[in-house]
Amino acid sequence: QKEVEQNSGPLSVPEGAIASLNCTYSDRGSQSFFWYRQYSGKSPELIMFIYSNGDKEDGRFTAQLNKASQYVSLLIRDSQPSDSATYLCAVSEGTGFQKLVFGTGTRLLVSP
Amino acid sequence: GAGVSQSPSNKVTEKGKDVELRCDPISGHTALYWYRQSLGQGLEFLIYFQGNSAPDKSGLPSDRFSAERTGGSVSTLTIQRTQQEDSAVYLCASSIGGPQETQYFGPGTRLLVL
Repeated sequence: QKEVEQNSGPLSVPEGAIASLNCTYSDRGSQSFFWYRQYSGKSPELIMFIYSNGDKEDGRFTAQLNKASQYVSLLIRDSQPSDSATYLCAVSEGTGFQKLVFGTGTRLLVSP
Repeated sequence: GAGVSQSPSNKVTEKGKDVELRCDPISGHTALYWYRQSLGQGLEFLIYFQGNSAPDKSGLPSDRFSAERTGGSVSTLTIQRTQQEDSAVYLCASSIGGPQETQYFGPGTRLLVL
C-alpha cells in the first residue's frame, strides 16, 4: 500500500512569516510530486509540481524534493491570511500515466 | 476555456437508491479521474480512464461502484444501492494524459445518503 504522510496540523503562523509544510512518501518509484491547495468546501487547485531533486521556486512558493529521503516540502514565504487552507501533497504511483496518491493534507492558518 | 464541470453539485438520496454523477472534462484532455473525499479526509482514488485503454478500476471500493466514459469525453460514475458510508464529495479531474501531467479538478458533487 503506497502511502503519503502529512502532519494534519493546524500549522499556525503569523502574517509575513514562512510556512513550512512537509510530506513523506513510501513509493521509491514515484516520479512526480504535486502540492494542491484546498479551501474549505472547494476543490483542490494546483500550487506547484516538482520532478527533480532540489528546489523549485514560483513566486512566494518553493517546493523542495529529496528522493533519497523520500521527502517533499512546500515553503510559503511572506504568508498571507489568504493562504489559510489545507495543503495536499500528491505523489505519482510509479511511472507512466499518472495515478496520484494524496496525503490527508495539512491545515495552514495564517493570522493577521 | 471551460474547466472541468460536474453535475449535480449536490445530491441527497435515500439509502438503497442508485445515483449517477456526471463529469465533463476539459476539452482535449484524454485522461479522466474520479476521486472521493470524505469529511476531513484526503482524496481517495477511485478510477481513471486514459484514451481508449481499459480503465484502471483498482480504487473502486465495491462492486456497487461503476463508471463509464463515452466517446472519450463525458464520464458517469454510478453508485448502486447507496449506503450512508458513501456520503462524500466526489471529485473528477482531467489531464492531457502524458506522464507527469497536471490534473485539474472539477468543483465536485456532494453526495449525502440518508
